[in-house]
Amino acid sequence: QKEVEQNSGPLSVPEGAIASLNCTYSDRGSQSFFWYRQYSGKSPELIMFIYSNGDKEDGRFTAQLNKASQYVSLLIRDSQPSDSATYPCAVTATTDSWGKLQFGAGTQVVVTP
Amino acid sequence: ETGVTQTPRHLVMGMTNKKSLKCEQHLGHNAMYWYKQSAKKPLELMFVYNFKEQTENNSVPSRFSPECPNSSHLFLHLHTLQPEDSALYLCASSLREFDNEQFFGPGTRLTVL
Repeated sequence: QKEVEQNSGPLSVPEGAIASLNCTYSDRGSQSFFWYRQYSGKSPELIMFIYSNGDKEDGRFTAQLNKASQYVSLLIRDSQPSDSATYPCAVTATTDSWGKLQFGAGTQVVVTP
Repeated sequence: ETGVTQTPRHLVMGMTNKKSLKCEQHLGHNAMYWYKQSAKKPLELMFVYNFKEQTENNSVPSRFSPECPNSSHLFLHLHTLQPEDSALYLCASSLREFDNEQFFGPGTRLTVL
């Protein structure tokens, strides 16, 4: 069974601090990795994707991929109350570049003022 | 709001009812998806349509019946559902099948009594 695992949280982060979220996956052939943000009662929105080992930065967000250890992380710098949401990660479920997305259940982040 | 709309936003139905969920995308995409999201669980892919043709049925029970009359519209017909089918049903679209970026609609919150 191919799985994507995340700590459900909640992860409590003081405003202005760094939130660190982790996601592990079991399919060693996974090629593409995605972080979504989902506010309560809303639909998911894509915030980052990463294909290669290393770091990828976009504004206050940094995705980190380590294929050897089969994990992908998301760092949120200078956390704001508006970052309070659930963050599901997703990986492609095949070894192809394009494939079905397999989602984790998401980590709930709560940013406290 | 995204370019993907879903109606109704909330639906309560009995186990003997027949109802339909509607999804419409205004993005010129060719692929459309139905996902199910139960509380605290990952998004589960249900069906995929590419250029109106169904390309994926992820072992979904026959009480869920999809219909895609054209690339812009997607329906999910429901009949004789069970209480455990209560969930958020999300529609998504992408330019090509299994493109990296899928745009999600706001979802339909379904409660089966």
